[in-house]
Amino acid sequence: AQSVTQLGSHVSVSEGALVLLRCNYSSSVPPYLFWYVQYPNQGLQLLLKYTSAATLVKGINGFEAEFKKSETSFHLTKPSAHMSDAAEYFCAVSDLNNNDMRFGAGTRLTVKP
Amino acid sequence: GAVVSQHPSRVICKSGTSVKIECRSLDFQATTMFWYRQFPKQSLMLMATSNEGSKATYEQGVEKDKFLINHASLTLSTLTVTSAHPEDSSFYICSARDNGRSTDTQYFGPGTRLTVL
Repeated sequence: AQSVTQLGSHVSVSEGALVLLRCNYSSSVPPYLFWYVQYPNQGLQLLLKYTSAATLVKGINGFEAEFKKSETSFHLTKPSAHMSDAAEYFCAVSDLNNNDMRFGAGTRLTVKP
Repeated sequence: GAVVSQHPSRVICKSGTSVKIECRSLDFQATTMFWYRQFPKQSLMLMATSNEGSKATYEQGVEKDKFLINHASLTLSTLTVTSAHPEDSSFYICSARDNGRSTDTQYFGPGTRLTVL
């Protein structure tokens, strides 16, 4: 069974500061890993995905994540936070057939002016 | 591209009634769609996998007779909450895989907020 754990249900940063959202995964097979963003009362928008190609994945809105097999991690980063980045972020893992996607509990990012 | 819509976006109903939620892939065909529910301030929980032309596969603990799923075409899946009760109030989100592209990505709809009085 696959699962992801997001460390920190709430992260608060100042505008312009580094954003780091943590995600660790557990999978018995090579995983696909995803980061999604959710704004209030909306669905999920894909930020980026890892599908066994390059370990450093660049996504939309300046976000990127690095797949580290030795650490079973897939942390999301952005060099400089913007007010519009305030949202809920979900890490997810699926098998290679994408039949069984499991989400982390989510991390709420707050950006202070 | 890869747009998924849901209708309605918000519905309020009385306890005991049934509610149908539609999920459509607007610009691609989707053999497989997924239904999730999300409680306030919680993550998404997969309810079922909807396969076009066949029966849905339900996750453990999800009542298939209560949450009826129909995937009659490559662009439409419906979730019907039968005899809804207040504990069914939740945010329901669907997603779809694009048959024509790499199937490693699910595209999510905007969600439907169900409130059962």
